[in-house]
Amino acid sequence: QKEVEQNSGPLSVPEGAIASLNCTYSDRGSQSFFWYRQYSGKSPELIMFIYSNGDKEDGRFTAQLNKASQYVSLLIRDSQPSDSATYLCAVTVIYNQGGKLIFGQGTELSVKP
Amino acid sequence: DGGITQSPKYLFRKEGQNVTLSCEQNLNHDAMYWYRQDPGQGLRLIYYSQIVNDFQKGDIAEGYSVSREKKESFPLTVTSAQKNPTAFYLCASSIRDRGLEETQYFGPGTRLLVL
Repeated sequence: QKEVEQNSGPLSVPEGAIASLNCTYSDRGSQSFFWYRQYSGKSPELIMFIYSNGDKEDGRFTAQLNKASQYVSLLIRDSQPSDSATYLCAVTVIYNQGGKLIFGQGTELSVKP
Repeated sequence: DGGITQSPKYLFRKEGQNVTLSCEQNLNHDAMYWYRQDPGQGLRLIYYSQIVNDFQKGDIAEGYSVSREKKESFPLTVTSAQKNPTAFYLCASSIRDRGLEETQYFGPGTRLLVL
């Protein structure tokens, strides 16, 4: 089983709709969860991080974490064509020497005008 | 402006050649990382360094080498032993937020192509 799994997509939503991106992880000890946005040919850009169960909102973005179900999601409200990108979920996995980020393979989002 | 810079943007390697990718940060971050990204794939960790003069292998270190002589700099050398080096290479840095949790920020990347 992969440590961090995402649906590769592409996920297509109309402009103005809510886009829902999902991520599951295998390490129950994980404590930190990150969402990055990556435009084609560019480097990942941090959108949000979440540490606690529940929802965290930042503008049009809401991160949701459920540690019992080992599930983290990203909701994008009022989706815009400029949101079209690949979204990477990253989870901190604890090793003997500390923690390191493990990335999912990313979900491609396409917002149609 | 604070940030992470990587150079060059594009790099071409000939067979049997070693090439070095530069990564510099002026964010005063302690930890630095190198990742490799292949088309349609997530990021895979090559090497990381949490303090100067110390670094650890990541998941795919074979064929790569690094040094960390200064806090600001973490160059990556792709050696001739790396048989499939064509990829997008990303450097990241982080400052510890809470204990083991680290928020990583990325440079613009270097695209390596084999001639």
